[in-house]
Amino acid sequence: DIQMTQSPSTLSASVGDRVTITCRASQSVSVWLAWYQQKPGKLPKLLISKASILQSGVPSRFSGSGSGTEFTLTISGLQPDDFATYYCQNLDNYWTFGQGTRVEVK
Amino acid sequence: QVQLVQSGAEVKKPGASVKVSCTSSGYTFTDYYIHWVRQAPGQGLEWMGWINTRSGRTRYAQNFQAWVTMTRDTSISTVYMEMSSLKSDDTAVYYCARDDAASSDNALDVWGQGTTLTVSS
Repeated sequence: DIQMTQSPSTLSASVGDRVTITCRASQSVSVWLAWYQQKPGKLPKLLISKASILQSGVPSRFSGSGSGTEFTLTISGLQPDDFATYYCQNLDNYWTFGQGTRVEVK
Repeated sequence: QVQLVQSGAEVKKPGASVKVSCTSSGYTFTDYYIHWVRQAPGQGLEWMGWINTRSGRTRYAQNFQAWVTMTRDTSISTVYMEMSSLKSDDTAVYYCARDDAASSDNALDVWGQGTTLTVSS
């Protein structure tokens, strides 16, 4: 199975900050990558598919980029509702998740 | 509305088996694959596998190939995930989620509410 590695594992940030989370795949997944947000006790929420396609209803401050083995999720202007854990997921063949990045209040 | 409704919480002893269901409504059942994902307490998401609801074909993550079986009953728009030889570290919340495999930008867009499995002697 393809391994997905996120960095950092935890990120401390303040409201208004620009936040970047990186996801690396152990081999190329082309653009077959999704990003999810999960808050404690809640279901994962799909934010971005195919590396950069923002899902309907997701605020435009979220953006995704990358291809091959390196991807980023950027939050431009962190809002209070954005403190959560974020996961990347490979969508190519075996749909493995990264280990998650927790965005916490600085 | 589109929803996936899972069966209720389970408590099992080590070595037992469990079968969790996921019933779809609000869309054409066979147009979407169903995936299973688990999350142990305080841990991340772990992808277990998928089932093609139209053909019944399955694909499992390596960690689950030997002891997880996914099946479906198209007459009642329901997918089942059965695990055998349970261990205490299988204690987790198990989610089903759908994937529009025919779409060019598919991912897991709708999730079931989760089924809590506790494995304890």
